[in-house]
Amino acid sequence: DAGVIQSPRHEVTEMGQEVTLRCKPISGHNSLFWYRQTMMRGLELLIYFNNNVPIDDSGMPEDRFSAKMPNASFSTLKIQPSEPRDSAVYFCASSLSGVLNNQPQHFGDGTRLSIL
Amino acid sequence: GNSVTQMEGPVTLSEEAFLTINCTYTATGYPSLFWYVQYPGEGLQLLLKATKADDKGSNKGFEATYRKETTSFHLEKGSVQVSDSAVYFCALSEGRDDKIIFGKGTRLHILP
Repeated sequence: DAGVIQSPRHEVTEMGQEVTLRCKPISGHNSLFWYRQTMMRGLELLIYFNNNVPIDDSGMPEDRFSAKMPNASFSTLKIQPSEPRDSAVYFCASSLSGVLNNQPQHFGDGTRLSIL
Repeated sequence: GNSVTQMEGPVTLSEEAFLTINCTYTATGYPSLFWYVQYPGEGLQLLLKATKADDKGSNKGFEATYRKETTSFHLEKGSVQVSDSAVYFCALSEGRDDKIIFGKGTRLHILP
């Protein structure tokens, strides 16, 4: 079975440019999470969706960050304009909720973002 | 609020040594507990889980027992291999929402 698929795997761009990260969750999963991982701050939850609806975006660092989930099989995380401090590895994860509690999350391999 | 505290790394061991990575948690309810592993260049993978007190999760030679009395979920392996070198994350979920609370991670280096 296909896992969580993220694209691109690597992105290098200049500051001020718009960056769009993409995620395809596991088919049938109804919760989707965006995380950011850096050496300094570790793993941070940015936002999560349930049934395509944003439930908690309190981790989104500022208005330059936005996320959408137009359907059950696709989500985007957009940074506009990008800044060097946004450089990090961004992970998408999905899980099946509502059937059994406390289901584990399944992670993609991440997008390594470098803002010059 | 809920939180997870795990031992700081890096932890460096020789091959075939015994491994313990300590993890304690704070939760208001009855959480499920997880260990995730992250290999270089990859995302986090579920290693094992336990959903109630005294449950033991196990996988790939790793074990962890849910200890409610000490609010702990320590990860152990009797004989580590070089291929176990990775970052290990302890985590909890209370089930009131879909979020999982992760610890800061412990980097493990196994020397041949």
